[in-house]
Amino acid sequence: DQQVKQNSPSLSVQEGRISILNCDYTNSMFDYFLWYKKYPAEGPTFLISISSIKDKNEDGRFTVFLNKSAKHLSLHIVPSQPGDSAVYFCAAGQAGTALIFGKGTTLSVSS
Amino acid sequence: GAGVSQSPSNKVTEKGKDVELRCDPISGHTALYWYRQRLGQGLEFLIYFQGNSAPDKSGLPSDRFSAERTGESVSTLTIQRTQQEDSAVYLCASSPRLTGTDTQYFGPGTRLTVL
Repeated sequence: DQQVKQNSPSLSVQEGRISILNCDYTNSMFDYFLWYKKYPAEGPTFLISISSIKDKNEDGRFTVFLNKSAKHLSLHIVPSQPGDSAVYFCAAGQAGTALIFGKGTTLSVSS
Repeated sequence: GAGVSQSPSNKVTEKGKDVELRCDPISGHTALYWYRQRLGQGLEFLIYFQGNSAPDKSGLPSDRFSAERTGESVSTLTIQRTQQEDSAVYLCASSPRLTGTDTQYFGPGTRLTVL
C-alpha cells in the first residue's frame, strides 16, 4: 500500500508557463515533506522541503504548498525552463524513520 | 569528492550469482540508506543504518538481500543468488542523522542487470 502517491506519471509544459506537480499521502504522522529532482543516470538531488507546521515554502522559482487536511502537497515551478525537465519525486517522513518516496513524475518543458 | 559515491556504476551478472554493491557516504554522516529503483517504478526503500543502532531492514525484499556498514563509513549491499527481478538501479544516500527532517544526499547509483 503506497503511503506517498504521485498519480501523474508525466507532465508536459511550455517554457515560461507554470508547472504543478502533485503528491498525496496517507500517513497523518508524516511531519516533513521533500521534493527531489532526478536527471537520467544521476542520483536524486534535493530541491525543496516543507515541515508540517507550514503550508507554504518558497525558494526562487520553486514553491511547495502543503494542505494537511487533504493530505496533499504540490510543487509549483514558475516560470518553467527546459532545464527543469527531469523526474520529480515527492517524499515524506517523520522523526526517526526513513523517507517514503512516491513513484515520480516526469516533467518535460518544451521551448 | 565530497559527495556520496557508489561502485560499480554498472554491473551485469548472470542469474544465480552473488553481487556486492558499495557505498561511500559523505564523511560525518551518521545515517545511510539503500534504495532501489526498478524500471518504471519509484524509489523503493531497502534498509537504513543510523550510527551504532540496529539497522532497519524492513524494506529488504527477501533474505537474499543483506547489507553491512562498518561504523559510520562504507556500506555494502549484497544480493545472493540474483534473479532477473533484481535488475534495478540501486541508490545509496546519506544524511547527517536520521530524523526524517535531514536532507538525504544521493549517490549516482549502481545499475544492476541480471541476465
